[in-house]
Amino acid sequence: EADIYQTPRYLVIGTGKKITLECSQTMGHDKMYWYQQDPGMELHLIHYSYGVNSTEKGDLSSESTVSRIRTEHFPLTLESARPSHTSQYLCATKESGTVNTGELFFGEGSRLTVL
Amino acid sequence: AQKITQTQPGMFVQEKEAVTLDCTYDTSDPSYGLFWYKQPSSGEMIFLIYQGSYDQQNATEGRYSLNFQKARKSANLVISASQLGDSAMYFCAMEATSGTYKYIFGTGTRLKVLA
Repeated sequence: EADIYQTPRYLVIGTGKKITLECSQTMGHDKMYWYQQDPGMELHLIHYSYGVNSTEKGDLSSESTVSRIRTEHFPLTLESARPSHTSQYLCATKESGTVNTGELFFGEGSRLTVL
Repeated sequence: AQKITQTQPGMFVQEKEAVTLDCTYDTSDPSYGLFWYKQPSSGEMIFLIYQGSYDQQNATEGRYSLNFQKARKSANLVISASQLGDSAMYFCAMEATSGTYKYIFGTGTRLKVLA
């Protein structure tokens, strides 16, 4: 079972602020993902990473950036927050390798409100 | 491009009856995995079942089975003997296991089990 930690759990900020959502995992999983999800709605892939120094954009990535300097850490940065960024952000990890079910392990989420 | 389609925004089923949740997918990758997740109102994502694109047999996990029809590009979830606790959002997901390695979700189906 993966241990995934997201901070902050809740954040209320003003428009135009720069914010970084933190995601850390202790299981050494190579693959990490960021999703955006409004309540009861679909998960939109924002960014993902295969491993250290590899990041890829998802379908909803134009207003954010990520980095993967260490295996266990995958922060998401919004350079200038807008009310449209109000949502829940879910971090997830997955083992690499051929013998696995492909299950994603999710953190508890960071709920962001931009005023 | 990868795409997951869930055409049923909401479904009702009587307790103890079986229900099928539809999922179709599109990908150009020859190798991929298909998944179903459950998200109760509490918000956590619960992995239910996995099907690999080269698996000859349909996956089963307890009361969950995946009706995989590769030629039709469908991966429907069948829940047998529905229980009240099955009421939740259900998401179909896909990961291309060659090429992009994107892990994407459908729009979800909200299932309500009636007593």
